[in-house]
Amino acid sequence: GQSLEQPSEVTAVEGAIVQINCTYQTSGFYGLSWYQQHDGGAPTFLSYNGLDGLEETGRFSSFLSRSDSYGYLLLQELQMKDSASYFCAPEGGSYIPTFGRGTSLIVHP
Amino acid sequence: DGGITQSPKYLFRKEGQNVTLSCEQNLNHDAMYWYRQDPGQGLRLIYYSQIVNDFQKGDIAEGYSVSREKKESFPLTVTSAQKNPTAFYLCASSSRDRGLGTEAFFGQGTRLTVV
Repeated sequence: GQSLEQPSEVTAVEGAIVQINCTYQTSGFYGLSWYQQHDGGAPTFLSYNGLDGLEETGRFSSFLSRSDSYGYLLLQELQMKDSASYFCAPEGGSYIPTFGRGTSLIVHP
Repeated sequence: DGGITQSPKYLFRKEGQNVTLSCEQNLNHDAMYWYRQDPGQGLRLIYYSQIVNDFQKGDIAEGYSVSREKKESFPLTVTSAQKNPTAFYLCASSSRDRGLGTEAFFGQGTRLTVV
């Protein structure tokens, strides 16, 4: 079977750090991707973790623990433009990106 | 510039009509996907194709049909059998790189409204 859990909403203030958690159950797991989607827009790829550990890309970092079926996206120095929905997308044996309901991040001034 | 293009951006359909959403990519990707997104919801997979002339049903294929006659094109038809077709439809494509995972590139979406 397959399941995916993320918080539905996270709020934070500008300049803060926020962590969005993701737990998953996926057959033939290969890795975990993260996507960002602004209201009315297309999702865009942020990062991919194929191995355990932390991947850093500018203000964004993503972490994976295969043994715990868990990952997170860390956003630092939050900006208003970071207000968006964030989706974790585990990749299984079929290589098809699978998305859950996503996490709505609201950044306040 | 390489990318994935969906058209039209907005589409209105009368109940009982079939309608086809266009999706074209020039990224030379083998795999293409159709997702449906309802307000405040995630992306649900409708159909996918991993090679020309082959496609598979996703989680919510009922009431939809697709074709993949060319690598670049993956049109989606929303038929009259789809009970609640009003939604935001997203097309995506990807290649597979074992080091980078399956990065999916999305079109800008088609917002379909049944009137």
